[in-house]
Amino acid sequence: DGGITQSPKYLFRKEGQNVTLSCEQNLNHDAMYWYRQDPGQGLRLIYYSQIVNDFQKGDIAEGYSVSREKKESFPLTVTSAQKNPTAFYLCASSIERGIQETQYFGPGTRLLVL
Amino acid sequence: QKEVEQNSGPLSVPEGAIASLNCTYSDRGSQSFFWYRQYSGKSPELIMSIYSNGDKEDGRFTAQLNKASQYVSLLIRDSQPSDSATYLCAVSGSSGTYKYIFGTGTRLKVLA
Repeated sequence: DGGITQSPKYLFRKEGQNVTLSCEQNLNHDAMYWYRQDPGQGLRLIYYSQIVNDFQKGDIAEGYSVSREKKESFPLTVTSAQKNPTAFYLCASSIERGIQETQYFGPGTRLLVL
Repeated sequence: QKEVEQNSGPLSVPEGAIASLNCTYSDRGSQSFFWYRQYSGKSPELIMSIYSNGDKEDGRFTAQLNKASQYVSLLIRDSQPSDSATYLCAVSGSSGTYKYIFGTGTRLKVLA
């Protein structure tokens, strides 16, 4: 059963704590992305990776970190430096196909601050 | 600043009517255009992609692209209450980049 999985579905963070959101895909996609969605706003790109062991900052990378040690996995860590982490976090993946590259999304993780 | 603009809505249409959703974009070099549907509390789901000027039809959905006017639209024929969702427009492909720029979405309500 191919797809993108994200865990957990809900995550609670305490003050000063780092938390890690999981994203796994078995679609053999090359590229993976992390977005943040806040109410009334469009999706904003946090980090992306086009190939294993390589990743780039998106538009709002401050307070976040990622790794890409395996093609299937792209975990996102929300560090204590991210002062407003409450949001819906979406992972996406795509096969690089030029202008026809299409992104598909996982089910998302909702992060809440205690 | 590259932008994608959508009317936030809500756009209310009666069941069985045609819903017309619009999106404008600022970067004339954009090459790829996508419509995603997002139900409340869920992740976006791809509905349509379009790359060249004109219309592209898939079932009840038609995407329309006009690069000269920097305008892309989504028509939903025979709208159903199950079509009630937020529709996100995404644009990419400018200057060889794969990065998507998303609009804030239009909320559609189909009234039974």
